[in-house]
Amino acid sequence: DAGITQSPRHKVTETGTPVTLRCHQTENHRYMYWYRQDPGHGLRLIHYSYGVKDTDKGEVSDGYSVSRSKTEDFLLTLESATSSQTSVYFCAIAPQRELMDEQFFGPGTRLTVL
Amino acid sequence: AQSVSQHNHHVILSEAASLELGCNYSYGGTVNLFWYVQYPGQHLQLLLKYFSGDPLVKGIKGFEAEFIKSKFSFNLRKPSVQWSDTAEYFCAVYQAAGNKLTFGGGTRVLVKP
Repeated sequence: DAGITQSPRHKVTETGTPVTLRCHQTENHRYMYWYRQDPGHGLRLIHYSYGVKDTDKGEVSDGYSVSRSKTEDFLLTLESATSSQTSVYFCAIAPQRELMDEQFFGPGTRLTVL
Repeated sequence: AQSVSQHNHHVILSEAASLELGCNYSYGGTVNLFWYVQYPGQHLQLLLKYFSGDPLVKGIKGFEAEFIKSKFSFNLRKPSVQWSDTAEYFCAVYQAAGNKLTFGGGTRVLVKP
């Protein structure tokens, strides 16, 4: 398995509070991604990064921000969590090319916003 | 906008039965195609992928998929399933123009022993 960890693995928070999820990789891969997984929707891309300090929006980026100050870490922040952001969040990495390449997924973070 | 459709949301079958999961996409240009699997409590893993060449691709654990360009389809098959194939299966399509990877909604497969 690719060396990807996510923290926390589970979190319950209240509406309006900030939340930061962390993705850490030990593979030195250039590309990192954040997805959310919701029943019936599969996975939808939130944001991705193609290098340190280089990020771009995915299809469901509203309400989320990201940062990548080191190759190994990609942070996803919900500035003010809402109930619609209750979901399972997956981080993924890829070695070289953008979305066309195989991606390796982390174990996921289950976030509940009350 | 590109869409990826997985027609069956839930499939229940017995061990040794054959499995076929449908995947259709809407984009007509160059695509790369993937099937991922998520076993209960685990992260997504790649089953197989198609980039070019032989449209019949073989993946891990006895799975295969056939790319039919004229039908915009990439169906997943396994001749004889096992209980351990119980999982959720996701089709994903990469669209070169626009650099976009789109996942289908997933199909939950339950294999009864």
